Amino acid sequence: EIVLTQSPGTLSLSPGERATLSCRASQSIGSTYLAWYQQKPGQAPRLLVYGASRRAPGIPDRFSGSGSRTDFTLTISRLEPEDSAVYYCHQYGSSPPYAFGQGTKLEIK
Amino acid sequence: QVQLVQSGAEMKKPGASVKVSCNVSGRTFTSNFYVHWVRKAPGQGLEWMGIINPADGSTTYAPRVRVRITMTRDTSTNAVYMELSSLRSDDTAVYYCAGCDGYICSDWGQGTLVTVSS
Repeated sequence: EIVLTQSPGTLSLSPGERATLSCRASQSIGSTYLAWYQQKPGQAPRLLVYGASRRAPGIPDRFSGSGSRTDFTLTISRLEPEDSAVYYCHQYGSSPPYAFGQGTKLEIK
Repeated sequence: QVQLVQSGAEMKKPGASVKVSCNVSGRTFTSNFYVHWVRKAPGQGLEWMGIINPADGSTTYAPRVRVRITMTRDTSTNAVYMELSSLRSDDTAVYYCAGCDGYICSDWGQGTLVTVSS
């Protein structure tokens, strides 16, 4: 079973700064199978990145994904107040169960 | 445009079962379309519960709920269903269905709150 570990647990940054969120897999997974989601309170998750680095339609280019094998990163540049949310990585397709990471809470001061 | 519309909130007693529906529009049940079920309990993160291939009904479930969960589909109405039995208080959560075109899961239902309480 692949376990995804996200860090940090909470990130507090100011508008205009850059956020770097990490997702580490317990074993190697194909880049095709790694996605990032944003979830705000009371809303469904929103797909940001799939295939480790491909932005979903309609997602601003401030959001970018990178990484391979066991180490993946979501970078959010030029932070805006509306970026406050919990961000999750998800592996889907490498091997079930298709677990989520535990999430990183991003606070914009 | 793909839309997933879920059934309404449910309140159940411990030990009961709940069945949540997810009606899919704008997409046919082809071999490259899959539906995941994910839940979000209060104060917890997202939990993946399982996946169904609506084209052939094949399923894969998360180990934690494997013995209590059943996912089905109705191709005549373009709907998928998630039934969870032997409910416990820690099953209280918002349950989501997510439609995936291959590995791209960009379409989600609005969520269904299931409350388990005596």
